[in-house]
Amino acid sequence: EDQVTQSPEALRLQEGESSSLNCSYTVSGLRGLFWYRQDPGKGPEFLFTLYSAGEEKEKERLKATLTKKESFLHITAPKPEDSATYLCAVQAFSGGYNKLIFGAGTRLAVHP
Amino acid sequence: DADVTQTPRNRITKTGKRIMLECSQTKGHDRMYWYRQDPGLGLRLIYYSFDVKDINKGEISDGYSVSRQAQAKFSLSLESAIPNQTALYFCATSQSSTSTQFFGPGTRLTVL
Repeated sequence: EDQVTQSPEALRLQEGESSSLNCSYTVSGLRGLFWYRQDPGKGPEFLFTLYSAGEEKEKERLKATLTKKESFLHITAPKPEDSATYLCAVQAFSGGYNKLIFGAGTRLAVHP
Repeated sequence: DADVTQTPRNRITKTGKRIMLECSQTKGHDRMYWYRQDPGLGLRLIYYSFDVKDINKGEISDGYSVSRQAQAKFSLSLESAIPNQTALYFCATSQSSTSTQFFGPGTRLTVL
């Protein structure tokens, strides 16, 4: 069964304290892995797409990496404005179409 | 700015009532999706449409119906709302040439 698991469920960091969020997946035929940021009361905001193992993408303090079984979202020297829920989704071909399978997310809180 | 909008943003209704949630987009995308989000669970696909004449069920379509009135408009209906349909509902769009989905701001629906 296609599945996406994110860990930890919640993470509390001090401003400047770097860390990583994990997204592990089991899918039959990965077509892409997506990271989104979701602020309270808002829709998910697209961050990155990764397509193959070894690929990396960066945006400001965020860097996403991909292996054959998992992806990491590294946050370097986070600021309070990085506080949000980060969602991971994998695209897999199932049921006749390319569908996105979402993890439950990691809630990140960055304190001054 | 090209955008995805949803109306209403919040709705409280009673069991057995018919409810319609609406989604409009100015991105010019041909594909549209409806998801629901529940606490502790990932986003789950309700219905998707690849063009005006193409509508397909997602993984949790029971109790829901949709209508694609135009390329830019995709509405979700709950024919007879029940309390376990209380959730956040998101509309998303994508271009057929890419995999990335862009989300609206969501509708918070409460069924009493």
